[in-house]
Amino acid sequence: GAVVSQHPSRVICKSGTSVKIECRSLDFQATTMFWYRQFPKQSLMLMATSNEGSKATYEQGVEKDKFLINHASLTLSTLTVTSAHPEDSSFYICSAPTGTLNTEAFFGQGTRLTVV
Amino acid sequence: GEDVEQSLFLSVREGDSSVINCTYTDSSSTYLYWYKQEPGAGLQLLTYIFSNMDMKQDQRLTVLLNKKDKHLSLRIADTQTGDSAIYFCAEGTGGGNKLTFGTGTQLKVEL
Repeated sequence: GAVVSQHPSRVICKSGTSVKIECRSLDFQATTMFWYRQFPKQSLMLMATSNEGSKATYEQGVEKDKFLINHASLTLSTLTVTSAHPEDSSFYICSAPTGTLNTEAFFGQGTRLTVV
Repeated sequence: GEDVEQSLFLSVREGDSSVINCTYTDSSSTYLYWYKQEPGAGLQLLTYIFSNMDMKQDQRLTVLLNKKDKHLSLRIADTQTGDSAIYFCAEGTGGGNKLTFGTGTQLKVEL
């Protein structure tokens, strides 16, 4: 299947700092990527849809000023957690659709963010 | 809104078949997916089925879809210890693949 690479896989940061997470489609172009958040032993919750060349679309309840998304090229979307707090600690996963009619969604390896 | 539910836990013996069930509420779902997640890892796409299909088989995996009852199942034949993981079903309704995930089923394979 297609490859989506996420970096870093783990990051620990201090409260109040910002953290950038990258999501790259390695062997295909993605005009759309999705960012999910997963709490321990829970399902994935869609945070936002990242659109190449335009503003991201955020789900209800997600603060767009806190979770900045930039989709500057057809292979890269970034999620920046600004002014991080301990409650932002979570597992963040991106996905990118591909295949005929974009039916297949491939996921990155995920990023474990810990805010101390 | 959409709601996708799964049983939380399933335990089987190695070599037996596993059946993981999923129910969803959105009748406009176009594609239904099964993903596997191992501890600390991302999601691996196992298989998916188009909503106008009843069944899809891929090696040890068989997906059954009952669209009338909005019920999806994943059967893993000859379950191995390496199949131990969390399995998520997901449904997609729009182009570009925005997915709604189920709660996940923890599959434990015992020797």
